[in-house]
Amino acid sequence: GQQLNQSPQSMFIQEGEDVSMNCTSSSIFNTWLWYKQEPGEGPVLLIALYKAGELTSNGRLTAQFGITRKDSFLNISASIPSDVGIYFCAGQRGGNQFYFGTGTSLTVIP
Amino acid sequence: DAGVIQSPRHEVTEMGQEVTLRCKPISGHDYLFWYRQTMMRGLELLIYFNNNVPIDDSGMPEDRFSAKMPNASFSTLKIQPSEPRDSAVYFCASSLAPVTQYFGPGTRLLVL
Repeated sequence: GQQLNQSPQSMFIQEGEDVSMNCTSSSIFNTWLWYKQEPGEGPVLLIALYKAGELTSNGRLTAQFGITRKDSFLNISASIPSDVGIYFCAGQRGGNQFYFGTGTSLTVIP
Repeated sequence: DAGVIQSPRHEVTEMGQEVTLRCKPISGHDYLFWYRQTMMRGLELLIYFNNNVPIDDSGMPEDRFSAKMPNASFSTLKIQPSEPRDSAVYFCASSLAPVTQYFGPGTRLLVL
């Protein structure tokens, strides 16, 4: 199926730094979501976005649904060691078509 | 509330053997999904069900893979015969709407 392109593929940051990652596609999506997967676990839903331009926060996490509806962004402020994991974006188009991104691996150095 | 339950959590088998993975979705969820995750290919959707009916099985790799959902609280993914390239983590997920999915802990399959 269609891939959503996430960047960067991996990040190594110092504790306390802010993090930004994004997800892009050549197609328009109706819904964007962000998941986090910790080692040995399944992905966990963090944030869901339902309309273009929407900005939603969940604690230190903020995600935005791009105006073009072809992209989404996730920011993490003041990172902490437990933010370590792989962050996946997912998008849904019309009907039941949905796709997962390739993932951004985040490492936080204490 | 219990989340999605998968069993077994780990499975080691020999090439050619039949493997059956099990999933109990969250009660009340209408959708159930099976995924495979590997380092090389990432997270791949294999098949999903809506109200126990298979909707899209285009991700099922080949005829060796089959999935069933006999009722709203149980699904199986079967691989027969298994091959080493089937080694991966298999996730089950369930949801009320197609995309806001809740994942189980996964089954780590190793085919020798």
